[in-house]
Amino acid sequence: EDQVTQSPEALRLQEGESSSLNCSYTVSGLRGLFWYRQDPGKGPEFLFTLYSAGEEKEKERLKATLTKKESFLHITAPKPEDSATYLCAVSGINKFYFGSGTKLNVKP
Amino acid sequence: SAVISQKPSRDICQRGTSLTIQCQVDSQVTMMFWYRQQPGQSLTLIATANQGSEATYESGFVIDKFPISRPNLTFSTLTVSNMSPEDSSIYLCSAQQGTGNTIYFGEGSWLTVV
Repeated sequence: EDQVTQSPEALRLQEGESSSLNCSYTVSGLRGLFWYRQDPGKGPEFLFTLYSAGEEKEKERLKATLTKKESFLHITAPKPEDSATYLCAVSGINKFYFGSGTKLNVKP
Repeated sequence: SAVISQKPSRDICQRGTSLTIQCQVDSQVTMMFWYRQQPGQSLTLIATANQGSEATYESGFVIDKFPISRPNLTFSTLTVSNMSPEDSSIYLCSAQQGTGNTIYFGEGSWLTVV
């Protein structure tokens, strides 16, 4: 069954405490893996697209990596404004599959 | 990247009424989609809005409840019909653009049914 699983469901960090979010997938015919940031009551904001194992993308304190079965979103020295839900999505042959998200809370 | 505008951004609706959400993209796109996100949940695809033809609905969603129009390559509407409190949700318009297969989202329309 095609699915996307994100872990942990929630993550509390102190400001400056680096960590990683995980997205594992079992989707046939991978056409891309996507990371989004979502603030409460808002639509998802696009962050990264990854297409092949070994690929990496960076944006400010965020770095996304991809292997054959999972992706990591590394957050380096996070700030309170990084608090949000981070969604992972995988594009298969016919549709997108979304994970349930990781809710990140960064405390000052 | 595509810029997607939705309206209304938020509304409180009476049970039994219908509401139409509009979605405008700043450039022509091939694929447009409508998602629902209930509180604390991930995104659920309602349908793919097809330009010039009937939308393609996912299992559990029907045209009578969620009629969709897409008259051109930049605009779509979703109507939520005969609303009940269970329809309280964020409704998201999205569009797929470019060779990279990425989909972009609007800001969402937060509907509360009372």
